[in-house]
Amino acid sequence: QKEVEQDPGPLSVPEGAIVSLNCTYSNSAFQYFMWYRQYSRKGPELLMYTYSSGNKEDGRFTAQVDKSSKYISLFIRDSQPSDSATYLCAIETSYDKVIFGPGTSLSVIP
Amino acid sequence: SAVISQKPSRDICQRGTSLTIQCQVDSQVTMMFWYRQQPGQSLTLIATANQGSEATYESGFVIDKFPISRPNLTFSTLTVSNMSPEDSSIYLCSARGGSSYEQYFGPGTRLTVT
Repeated sequence: QKEVEQDPGPLSVPEGAIVSLNCTYSNSAFQYFMWYRQYSRKGPELLMYTYSSGNKEDGRFTAQVDKSSKYISLFIRDSQPSDSATYLCAIETSYDKVIFGPGTSLSVIP
Repeated sequence: SAVISQKPSRDICQRGTSLTIQCQVDSQVTMMFWYRQQPGQSLTLIATANQGSEATYESGFVIDKFPISRPNLTFSTLTVSNMSPEDSSIYLCSARGGSSYEQYFGPGTRLTVT
């Protein structure tokens, strides 16, 4: 079993839709969870970071962690064409090592 | 935040040659990393670049193939040696700031080996 799994998509939604992106992980000891956004031909950029179960909001973005199920989610409200990108979940396994999911490609259609 | 630049942005190289990729950070950072990203796939950590000492390589990556230097707190290089077409990929430099989760990425170097 891979340490982090993510549906690669592609996912296509109309502008204004609510988007749900999900990852599962294998090791219950993992504690720090992140979502990165990567535009085409660019490096990933950090969107959200959380280290506990529950929800964390930042504008139109909500990160959700369920440690009992080893499941993390990113919700995007009122999606915009500028949200079209690949979204990677990431988990910090130790201070100096982060592992990434394969990414979900999202297209928001105007 | 940290701004990371990489050179070259892209290159096409012949089989058997070597390419050195440079990574420059605009501020001092505690840790620097090198990743590889195959088209449509996620990031794979190659190694952690340690300032003043040998890099720490992940399983499947060796120093002879991917020598890394980090002479100071803002600069690192990755060399892809004796290249083959399987080395065609995007190579990304990354740096971590003071807080453990603040990891920043460069724009990547797109390498094609013919």
